Amino acid sequence: AQKITQTQPGMFVQEKEAVTLDCTYDTSDPSYGLFWYKQPSSGEMIFLIYQGSYDQQNATEGRYSLNFQKARKSANLVISASQLGDSAMYFCAMRERVGGKSTFGDGTTLTVKP
Amino acid sequence: DAGVIQSPRHEVTEMGQEVTLRCKPISGHDYLFWYRQTMMRGLELLIYFNNNVPIDDSGMPEDRFSAKMPNASFSTLKIQPSEPRDSAVYFCASSSTSTGGTEAFFGQGTRLTVV
Repeated sequence: AQKITQTQPGMFVQEKEAVTLDCTYDTSDPSYGLFWYKQPSSGEMIFLIYQGSYDQQNATEGRYSLNFQKARKSANLVISASQLGDSAMYFCAMRERVGGKSTFGDGTTLTVKP
Repeated sequence: DAGVIQSPRHEVTEMGQEVTLRCKPISGHDYLFWYRQTMMRGLELLIYFNNNVPIDDSGMPEDRFSAKMPNASFSTLKIQPSEPRDSAVYFCASSSTSTGGTEAFFGQGTRLTVV
């Protein structure tokens, strides 16, 4: 069975600094995808970044990068140059195979301080 | 494209009533997912469809819940009879195999309150 663990219930970061949100996963499936979503206080789920299990390079999307360490089964999200608008809940998720069932972590609440 | 569209955005109903949540996925997407989000249980996958066919409904909590996808552009999640513990935000999401399923787009969610 798939399992996603986000060990940081809450994180604080100073505006303009970088922050790393941790995510570890467990699966026996050799093919899987890892996702990060942002959920602001308004409630919508916003896709941020994707990493495939066979991707050789770490995914990047603007200020977001995914630090993928396959052997350690970790997929940490790095947000560079934090902005006040980054304050939100962040979810790590894993999907088995293309389009398959996804499992979400419990989320990390990030607060960016001015 | 307008994205995944869910209706209603908010629903308040009395215990015992039937509730129907609606979802229109992004055109061309072949996967559709229904999730439920609560403070206690986080985000749970209830059921998902591929090409309108239910693939995995193991997350559906009990027989009071049912989901259908009569065509590629419409899905419903029905709760009958509803109970206060069904109060949650219900999300619909869709994704496409043609893009490798690298993204799943979520709707705005339906906030259900059962009193």
